[in-house]
Amino acid sequence: NAGVTQTPKFQVLKTGQSMTLQCAQDMNHNSMYWYRQDPGMGLRLIYYSASEGTTDKGEVPNGYNVSRLNKREFSLRLESAAPSQTSVYFCASSVSGTGNEKLFFGSGTQLSVL
Amino acid sequence: AQTVTQSQPEMSVQEAETVTLSCTYDTSESDYYLFWYKQPPSRQMILVIRQEAYKQQNATENRFSVNFQKAAKSFSLKISDSQLGDAAMYFCAYRSLYSGNTPLVFGKGTRLSVIA
Repeated sequence: NAGVTQTPKFQVLKTGQSMTLQCAQDMNHNSMYWYRQDPGMGLRLIYYSASEGTTDKGEVPNGYNVSRLNKREFSLRLESAAPSQTSVYFCASSVSGTGNEKLFFGSGTQLSVL
Repeated sequence: AQTVTQSQPEMSVQEAETVTLSCTYDTSESDYYLFWYKQPPSRQMILVIRQEAYKQQNATENRFSVNFQKAAKSFSLKISDSQLGDAAMYFCAYRSLYSGNTPLVFGKGTRLSVIA
Protein backbone atom coordinates (compact mmCIF):
# COMPACT_ATOMS: atom_id res chain seq x y z
CA ASN A 1 0.00 0.00 0.00
CA ALA A 2 2.49 2.62 -1.21
CA GLY A 3 0.29 5.74 -1.50
CA VAL A 4 2.45 8.68 -2.60
CA THR A 5 6.11 7.94 -3.21
CA GLN A 6 8.72 10.68 -3.52
CA THR A 7 12.32 10.28 -4.55
CA PRO A 8 14.91 11.13 -3.45
CA LYS A 9 14.42 11.62 0.30
CA PHE A 10 17.53 13.77 0.64
CA GLN A 11 19.58 15.73 -1.87
CA VAL A 12 22.44 18.21 -1.74
CA LEU A 13 23.06 20.41 -4.77
CA LYS A 14 25.50 23.12 -5.66
CA THR A 15 24.20 26.45 -6.87
CA GLY A 16 23.40 26.22 -10.56
CA GLN A 17 22.92 22.47 -10.69
CA SER A 18 19.69 20.98 -11.91
CA MET A 19 17.62 18.12 -10.63
CA THR A 20 14.20 16.52 -10.85
CA LEU A 21 12.12 15.42 -7.90
CA GLN A 22 9.97 12.45 -8.73
CA CYS A 23 6.51 11.73 -7.38
CA ALA A 24 4.20 8.83 -8.07
CA GLN A 25 0.85 7.81 -6.60
CA ASP A 26 -0.91 4.48 -6.92
CA MET A 27 -4.38 5.54 -5.80
CA ASN A 28 -5.72 6.55 -9.22
CA HIS A 29 -6.00 10.16 -8.07
CA ASN A 30 -6.69 12.88 -10.59
CA SER A 31 -5.07 15.80 -8.79
CA MET A 32 -1.45 16.17 -7.72
CA TYR A 33 0.46 18.96 -6.01
CA TRP A 34 3.92 20.15 -5.10
CA TYR A 35 4.40 22.12 -1.88
CA ARG A 36 7.50 23.45 -0.21
CA GLN A 37 7.85 23.77 3.55
CA ASP A 38 10.15 26.31 5.13
CA PRO A 39 10.51 27.09 8.85
CA GLY A 40 7.93 29.63 9.94
CA MET A 41 6.31 29.69 6.49
CA GLY A 42 4.04 26.67 6.52
CA LEU A 43 3.39 24.84 3.27
CA ARG A 44 3.34 26.91 0.12
CA LEU A 45 2.04 25.61 -3.18
CA ILE A 46 4.52 25.56 -6.04
CA TYR A 47 2.51 23.92 -8.83
CA TYR A 48 -0.45 21.64 -9.13
CA SER A 49 -2.10 19.45 -11.70
CA ALA A 50 -5.86 19.19 -11.55
CA SER A 51 -5.88 16.28 -13.99
CA GLU A 52 -3.63 14.48 -16.40
CA GLY A 53 -2.42 16.89 -19.05
CA THR A 54 -2.94 20.09 -17.05
CA THR A 55 -0.67 22.05 -14.76
CA ASP A 56 -1.10 25.38 -12.99
CA LYS A 57 1.11 27.71 -11.02
CA GLY A 58 0.72 28.03 -7.32
CA GLU A 59 1.93 30.67 -4.91
CA VAL A 60 5.69 30.25 -5.45
CA PRO A 61 6.37 28.85 -8.97
CA ASN A 62 9.47 30.85 -9.89
CA GLY A 63 12.53 28.71 -10.49
CA TYR A 64 10.53 25.50 -10.96
CA ASN A 65 8.95 23.53 -13.75
CA VAL A 66 6.65 20.55 -13.58
CA SER A 67 5.55 17.68 -15.78
CA ARG A 68 2.46 15.57 -15.35
CA LEU A 69 3.90 12.56 -17.15
CA ASN A 70 0.78 10.47 -16.80
CA LYS A 71 -1.96 10.04 -14.25
CA ARG A 72 0.41 8.48 -11.73
CA GLU A 73 3.46 10.71 -11.98
CA PHE A 74 4.10 14.40 -11.35
CA SER A 75 7.69 15.61 -11.38
CA LEU A 76 9.22 18.87 -10.19
CA ARG A 77 12.34 20.23 -11.87
CA LEU A 78 14.82 22.79 -10.66
CA GLU A 79 16.71 23.99 -13.73
CA SER A 80 19.33 26.07 -11.92
CA ALA A 81 19.20 25.55 -8.20
CA ALA A 82 19.62 28.52 -5.85
CA PRO A 83 20.22 28.60 -2.08
CA SER A 84 16.71 30.08 -1.70
CA GLN A 85 15.36 26.75 -2.89
CA THR A 86 16.73 24.95 0.15
CA SER A 87 13.56 23.48 1.62
CA VAL A 88 11.55 20.36 2.28
CA TYR A 89 9.42 19.47 -0.72
CA PHE A 90 6.17 17.56 -0.47
CA CYS A 91 4.20 15.93 -3.20
CA ALA A 92 0.52 15.28 -2.54
CA SER A 93 -2.45 13.86 -4.37
CA SER A 94 -6.21 13.79 -4.04
CA VAL A 95 -9.09 12.17 -5.85
CA SER A 96 -10.43 15.25 -7.60
CA GLY A 97 -9.13 18.34 -5.84
CA THR A 98 -12.55 19.46 -4.70
CA GLY A 99 -14.67 19.35 -1.62
CA ASN A 100 -13.52 18.21 1.75
CA GLU A 101 -11.47 15.35 0.39
CA LYS A 102 -8.26 14.43 2.07
CA LEU A 103 -4.84 15.12 0.62
CA PHE A 104 -2.40 12.23 0.66
CA PHE A 105 1.19 13.35 1.14
CA GLY A 106 4.52 11.80 0.34
CA SER A 107 7.21 11.66 3.01
CA GLY A 108 9.06 14.68 1.68
CA THR A 109 12.40 15.50 0.08
CA GLN A 110 14.95 17.45 2.09
CA LEU A 111 16.87 19.58 -0.42
CA SER A 112 19.92 21.66 0.42
CA VAL A 113 21.45 24.01 -2.13
CA LEU A 114 24.95 25.17 -1.26
CA ALA B 1 -6.89 35.39 -2.34
CA GLN B 2 -7.68 33.55 0.83
CA THR B 3 -5.24 33.65 3.71
CA VAL B 4 -4.95 31.50 6.81
CA THR B 5 -3.38 32.82 10.00
CA GLN B 6 -2.13 30.80 12.93
CA SER B 7 -1.09 33.32 15.53
CA GLN B 8 0.61 30.88 17.92
CA PRO B 9 3.97 29.69 16.55
CA GLU B 10 4.44 27.45 19.60
CA MET B 11 2.23 26.01 22.31
CA SER B 12 2.76 23.57 25.12
CA VAL B 13 0.43 21.44 27.19
CA GLN B 14 0.76 19.06 30.09
CA GLU B 15 -0.04 15.45 29.39
CA ALA B 16 -3.75 14.70 29.99
CA GLU B 17 -4.67 18.39 29.83
CA THR B 18 -6.59 20.25 27.13
CA VAL B 19 -5.12 22.70 24.65
CA THR B 20 -6.66 24.89 21.98
CA LEU B 21 -4.85 25.94 18.81
CA SER B 22 -6.09 29.05 17.04
CA CYS B 23 -6.73 29.61 13.35
CA THR B 24 -8.35 32.51 11.56
CA TYR B 25 -8.87 32.94 7.86
CA ASP B 26 -9.81 35.64 5.45
CA THR B 27 -12.29 34.99 2.68
CA SER B 28 -15.17 36.63 0.88
CA GLU B 29 -16.78 33.30 0.10
CA SER B 30 -19.74 31.89 1.98
CA ASP B 31 -19.02 28.21 1.48
CA TYR B 32 -15.67 26.51 1.86
CA TYR B 33 -13.87 23.75 3.70
CA LEU B 34 -11.48 23.89 6.62
CA PHE B 35 -8.93 21.34 7.76
CA TRP B 36 -6.42 20.64 10.47
CA TYR B 37 -3.35 18.60 9.54
CA LYS B 38 -0.78 17.21 11.95
CA GLN B 39 2.91 16.78 11.11
CA PRO B 40 4.85 14.74 13.68
CA PRO B 41 8.65 14.58 13.66
CA SER B 42 8.43 11.83 11.04
CA ARG B 43 7.37 14.63 8.64
CA GLN B 44 4.31 12.70 7.50
CA MET B 45 1.22 14.89 7.05
CA ILE B 46 -1.87 13.46 8.72
CA LEU B 47 -5.42 14.78 8.40
CA VAL B 48 -6.81 15.39 11.88
CA ILE B 49 -10.23 16.85 11.25
CA ARG B 50 -12.27 18.71 8.63
CA GLN B 51 -15.28 21.01 8.59
CA GLU B 52 -17.69 22.13 5.92
CA ALA B 53 -18.60 25.80 6.33
CA TYR B 54 -22.29 25.15 5.60
CA LYS B 55 -22.51 22.82 8.59
CA GLN B 56 -23.16 24.61 11.84
CA GLN B 57 -22.28 21.62 13.97
CA ASN B 58 -18.67 21.51 15.02
CA ALA B 59 -16.71 18.49 13.80
CA THR B 60 -15.27 16.03 16.30
CA GLU B 61 -12.87 13.12 15.92
CA ASN B 62 -12.27 11.31 19.20
CA ARG B 63 -10.13 13.63 21.35
CA PHE B 64 -10.03 16.30 18.65
CA SER B 65 -12.78 18.84 18.13
CA VAL B 66 -13.12 22.22 16.50
CA ASN B 67 -14.78 25.46 17.43
CA PHE B 68 -15.99 26.88 14.13
CA GLN B 69 -17.15 30.48 14.33
CA LYS B 70 -18.13 31.42 10.79
CA ALA B 71 -18.94 35.05 11.43
CA ALA B 72 -15.62 35.56 13.17
CA LYS B 73 -13.81 33.46 10.54
CA SER B 74 -12.26 31.40 13.27
CA PHE B 75 -11.51 27.67 13.30
CA SER B 76 -9.76 26.55 16.46
CA LEU B 77 -8.68 23.00 17.28
CA LYS B 78 -9.18 21.59 20.76
CA ILE B 79 -7.17 18.57 21.85
CA SER B 80 -8.50 16.90 24.97
CA ASP B 81 -6.60 14.50 27.23
CA SER B 82 -3.33 15.39 25.46
CA GLN B 83 -0.93 12.54 24.85
CA LEU B 84 2.79 12.50 24.16
CA GLY B 85 2.01 11.39 20.61
CA ASP B 86 0.14 14.62 19.99
CA ALA B 87 3.42 16.53 19.93
CA ALA B 88 3.71 17.81 16.37
CA MET B 89 3.31 20.75 14.03
CA TYR B 90 -0.35 21.51 13.39
CA PHE B 91 -1.46 23.25 10.21
CA CYS B 92 -4.80 24.85 9.56
CA ALA B 93 -5.90 24.86 5.91
CA TYR B 94 -8.65 26.33 3.73
CA ARG B 95 -10.18 25.21 0.47
CA SER B 96 -12.60 27.19 -1.65
CA LEU B 97 -15.85 25.56 -2.71
CA TYR B 98 -16.38 27.63 -5.81
CA SER B 99 -13.24 27.45 -7.85
CA GLY B 100 -13.34 23.88 -9.10
CA ASN B 101 -10.05 22.25 -8.36
CA THR B 102 -8.65 24.45 -5.67
CA PRO B 103 -5.54 23.49 -3.75
CA LEU B 104 -5.41 23.88 0.00
CA VAL B 105 -4.08 27.11 1.45
CA PHE B 106 -2.13 26.42 4.63
CA GLY B 107 -1.32 28.53 7.65
CA LYS B 108 2.22 28.78 8.95
CA GLY B 109 1.67 26.19 11.63
CA THR B 110 1.75 25.83 15.40
CA ARG B 111 4.33 23.64 17.07
CA LEU B 112 2.76 21.77 19.98
CA SER B 113 4.88 20.32 22.75
CA VAL B 114 3.43 17.86 25.25
CA ILE B 115 5.05 17.80 28.68
CA ALA B 116 5.03 14.54 30.60
